[in-house]
Amino acid sequence: QSALTQPASVSGSPGQSITISCTGTSRDVGGYNYVSWYQQHPGKAPKVIIYDVNNRPSGVSNRFSGSKAGNTASLTISGLQAEDEADYYCSSYTGSTTWVFGGGTKLTVL
Amino acid sequence: QITLKESGPTLVRPTQTLTLTCTFSGFSLSTTEVAVGWIRQPPGKALEWLAVIYWDGDKRYSPSLKRRLTITKDTSKDQVVLTMTNMDPVDTATYYCAHRPPIAVGGNALHVWGQGTMVTVSS
Repeated sequence: QSALTQPASVSGSPGQSITISCTGTSRDVGGYNYVSWYQQHPGKAPKVIIYDVNNRPSGVSNRFSGSKAGNTASLTISGLQAEDEADYYCSSYTGSTTWVFGGGTKLTVL
Repeated sequence: QITLKESGPTLVRPTQTLTLTCTFSGFSLSTTEVAVGWIRQPPGKALEWLAVIYWDGDKRYSPSLKRRLTITKDTSKDQVVLTMTNMDPVDTATYYCAHRPPIAVGGNALHVWGQGTMVTVSS
């Protein structure tokens, strides 16, 4: 299984909205509604911010939202804040009860 | 409160076998649909999923590393152990274990992660 495809970097100014894409295949992203997104600050463990395409865990800001169309999932962050600057990874369940991660996207808040 | 903590050697020689232990609390790996997964991250690089073990003993591995990985659980000790054979310098990474709750609770995602343990492979 190949890693999911994400843009290497995205940037935005405070208050703006940005979207990070995550492209897979019909065997992972397109085949299951089990896409999750993780936020990772430098030196820290990843933190789940979206699960099952568009669900937010308790405590995660509603500025984070997820969606999926075909083989591509997306994470949107609205009202960008300085604290959102981090690396973001998508992940999808695949066949055979396994998972795959994306290559990661570095978000810079200008 | 759910916590997980990875432990193991910080330095491994090439060709040796790595054994990592994930000690957890706040949940039982015998609860239906619960799972514990292992993920690694080379310095400056992306996350890579390695293996998962489910409450019922089912085990799944990354296809690219399947021949080198073994995951086991000791429910009485609240531990999950990952072994990786024939270590190479490219296996240098931070290794994380993480908890997947029952799907009805948190979907199919890893909700709580350990702090990670850095493993360097060098002679």
